[in-house]
Amino acid sequence: DQQVKQNSPSLSVQEGRISILNCDYTNSMFDYFLWYKKYPAEGPTFLISISSIKDKNEDGRFTVFLNKSAKHLSLHIVPSQPGDSAVYFCAASGSTSYGKLTFGQGTILTVHP
Amino acid sequence: NAGVMQNPRHLVRRRGQEARLRCSPMKGHSHVYWYRQLPEEGLKFMVYLQKENIIDESGMPKERFSAEFPKEGPSILRIQQVVRGDSAAYFCASSSNPGAYGYTFGSGTRLTVV
Repeated sequence: DQQVKQNSPSLSVQEGRISILNCDYTNSMFDYFLWYKKYPAEGPTFLISISSIKDKNEDGRFTVFLNKSAKHLSLHIVPSQPGDSAVYFCAASGSTSYGKLTFGQGTILTVHP
Repeated sequence: NAGVMQNPRHLVRRRGQEARLRCSPMKGHSHVYWYRQLPEEGLKFMVYLQKENIIDESGMPKERFSAEFPKEGPSILRIQQVVRGDSAAYFCASSSNPGAYGYTFGSGTRLTVV
């Protein structure tokens, strides 16, 4: 039972353009959402998060949007840079789960110069 | 300030052998999480430990897998009698308090069972 889904295995974007990565979830108990970035042979690195009481959170080039009614979140990167090329995972957690995260399958982002 | 340290980075075991994966959390962190990433999949939660206590092991396979986080020393994930399906990347993360979701991951141990 995949509670967090990233339906696009890969995304290719031109440098300077916007990258939009999508994520859907099914568990209504999730109330905190995160995005992690992962390079090959390294551990995931925390990027940005959002609580369910908000619908947007912004940090520099990265913005996460949350649509609770649709159980959908997205990560916008603008402008995209070649160094952003990595695997992006969305993750979700519930307030009673001791910080335990449920991850999506990941989306490989490639930013072309 | 060293991050989360995992060793070994790569581990090769023959079927039936034991694998021991170590995780030293960041200084001052007393909460450790283990995740497993199978090929072509996302990370899957295995276990959450505090010093000397297993808090949530709902993601651990029922047999052959165990984890500990002793009062002194690193957290250990132990896999007995490994099988080919155990081949994966195992990641450890630590935090200073539960619910601090944006926790720090180590670089992982890549286990290959031959």
